[in-house]
Amino acid sequence: GQQVMQIPQYQHVQEGEDFTTYCNSSTTLSNIQWYKQRPGGHPVFLIQLVKSGEVKKQKRLTFQFGEAKKNSSLHITATQTTDVGTYFCAGRSGGSNYKLTFGKGTLLTVNP
Amino acid sequence: DAGITQSPRHKVTETGTPVTLRCHQTENHRYMYWYRQDPGHGLRLIHYSYGVKDTDKGEVSDGYSVSRSKTEDFLLTLESATSSQTSVYFCAISSGAYGYTFGSGTRLTVV
Repeated sequence: GQQVMQIPQYQHVQEGEDFTTYCNSSTTLSNIQWYKQRPGGHPVFLIQLVKSGEVKKQKRLTFQFGEAKKNSSLHITATQTTDVGTYFCAGRSGGSNYKLTFGKGTLLTVNP
Repeated sequence: DAGITQSPRHKVTETGTPVTLRCHQTENHRYMYWYRQDPGHGLRLIHYSYGVKDTDKGEVSDGYSVSRSKTEDFLLTLESATSSQTSVYFCAISSGAYGYTFGSGTRLTVV
């Protein structure tokens, strides 16, 4: 079945440093979504990417979808303590309109 | 998030007992999902529903059953709870167009 791999598993940064998490799928995706889960909380939808090569920005967050639609990345510029949490990517393949396959997530901790 | 609630929020139960978790939505979304979250495993799909009485298995469905008799409610039943089912359970809803909205979760401990 479809697999979505996400690296790194953990990342610790100093406040102000940049952060990137990467997501790779074993199959071509129709779209990819990103979620953030604060410690003790539930996943919250951030964004969806659909087009090959698509780049979207949300303030300090930049999301990219690869040309082959099999990989994606989330980059945070100048991290803040409010960025702490686990970031998940989730992919949907063309044949599974109802289901997302989640990566295992990257836990980001930020040292003030 | 507004529009989706899970109950109970916490539960401790004994091995071998049946347990039912409830997910209720007020968004009239077609799709509903049950995930479990465990350290090192991320979010794993247990069962999902694409309409009333339309359900299907996810990747970790053994030992679980679901029912959806009306649009707003999706029930997850652990038929005979085991310690390996100690986990945090999340329900999610989707219209199919965009992202999922997750409930606040149920922390289940099987002793």
